[in-house]
Amino acid sequence: AQSVTQPDIHITVSEGASLELRCNYSYGATPYLFWYVQSPGQGLQLLLKYFSGDTLVQGIKGFEAEFKRSQSSFNLRKPSVHWSDAAEYFCAVGGPNTGNQFYFGTGTSLTVIP
Amino acid sequence: ETGVTQTPRHLVMGMTNKKSLKCEQHLGHNAMYWYKQSAKKPLELMFVYNFKEQTENNSVPSRFSPECPNSSHLFLHLHTLQPEDSALYLCASSPRQQVYYGYTFGSGTRLTVV
Repeated sequence: AQSVTQPDIHITVSEGASLELRCNYSYGATPYLFWYVQSPGQGLQLLLKYFSGDTLVQGIKGFEAEFKRSQSSFNLRKPSVHWSDAAEYFCAVGGPNTGNQFYFGTGTSLTVIP
Repeated sequence: ETGVTQTPRHLVMGMTNKKSLKCEQHLGHNAMYWYKQSAKKPLELMFVYNFKEQTENNSVPSRFSPECPNSSHLFLHLHTLQPEDSALYLCASSPRQQVYYGYTFGSGTRLTVV
């Protein structure tokens, strides 16, 4: 069965520090993997996606993510966090094996302190 | 401007009321989706429309009734809801009913059932 696990419910980092948000997935084939961000009172915005090829993908707002098949992971990273990055982050898996539907994780809430 | 507009932003309704949520997109997308977002739970896909035809109904109770009059508009009609239906309802669209494209989400309607 397909599923997504985001082990960290909440993370607090200092502005300017590096960030890594964890995502583990279960999928029967090569997955399509996505990261979305949701700012307070807003819908979800696509940060980046992975389908195939280079396992390190770049996204918007300075984010990147690395696909590691051996670990079934797709962790999101940012070298230096800005206060405006405070939001909820969702990892999702999808593709032909999921009936072309997304399976979302429960999200990680990011707090940025000055 | 996300490209997907949802109205109203907030809605409080009694359990005997009838109300409707509206979603509109002018992105030229042909697939539209309703999701339910509850705190600390993965997003739940409710309904999918592809070229105005309903293609998915994920065992949603009949007190939720979708309508898609054209590829740009999607409605969710609500009647005799329960308090546990209180949640953020998100509309999304994509060029086709394929996760490959990623989805564009609206800002949601925060529904409170009293």
